[in-house]
Amino acid sequence: DQQVKQNSPSLSVQEGRISILNCDYTNSMFDYFLWYKKYPAEGPTFLISISSIKDKNEDGRFTVFLNKSAKHLSLHIVPSQPGDSAVYFCAATGTYKYIFGTGTRLKVLA
Amino acid sequence: DAGITQSPRYKITETGRQVTLMCHQTWSHSYMFWYRQDLGHGLRLIYYSAAADITDKGEVPDGYVVSRSKTENFPLTLESATRSQTSVYFCASSTRGTGYYEQYFGPGTRLTVT
Repeated sequence: DQQVKQNSPSLSVQEGRISILNCDYTNSMFDYFLWYKKYPAEGPTFLISISSIKDKNEDGRFTVFLNKSAKHLSLHIVPSQPGDSAVYFCAATGTYKYIFGTGTRLKVLA
Repeated sequence: DAGITQSPRYKITETGRQVTLMCHQTWSHSYMFWYRQDLGHGLRLIYYSAAADITDKGEVPDGYVVSRSKTENFPLTLESATRSQTSVYFCASSTRGTGYYEQYFGPGTRLTVT
């Protein structure tokens, strides 16, 4: 039973445009959500997080939005750059450990 | 070197063999984790440890054994490797087990069981 879902396995975006990566979850007890970025042959690296008491968190080109009623979060990257091409994982945590989604492969086209 | 390292980076073994994957971190983080990454499943937690000599199961612990005698090391052992354990294994460390505390991941070990 997948508690954290990323339904889009891949996404292609033109350089300079907005990239929107989506994540859905089922457990209303999750209280923090995180996004990680992963390049090939490397481990995931932390990107941005959001608490369940907030609906938006921004860090430079990266913004995460949380819609608790819909149990949905999204990561916006504006403007997208070729170096953003990677696999993005969302993760959720509550009383249990971190639960990761299956990842979305983002390709930013120059 | 500072950070979190894993060894070996690549390993091929035969079914039934015992294999140990090593993980070492230099930050003195209390928490350490082992994940496996498989297509269609993302990252799944195998085991985690809250401190030296404290370990607990994650989502997919069957066939794996861990130990943590020192804070900085968290080896993962496959007692009798099976083909279904072919995967990429990531070790991670963190100051906490939940919350907004990010996890720091190692570079991964690609294990192939033939």
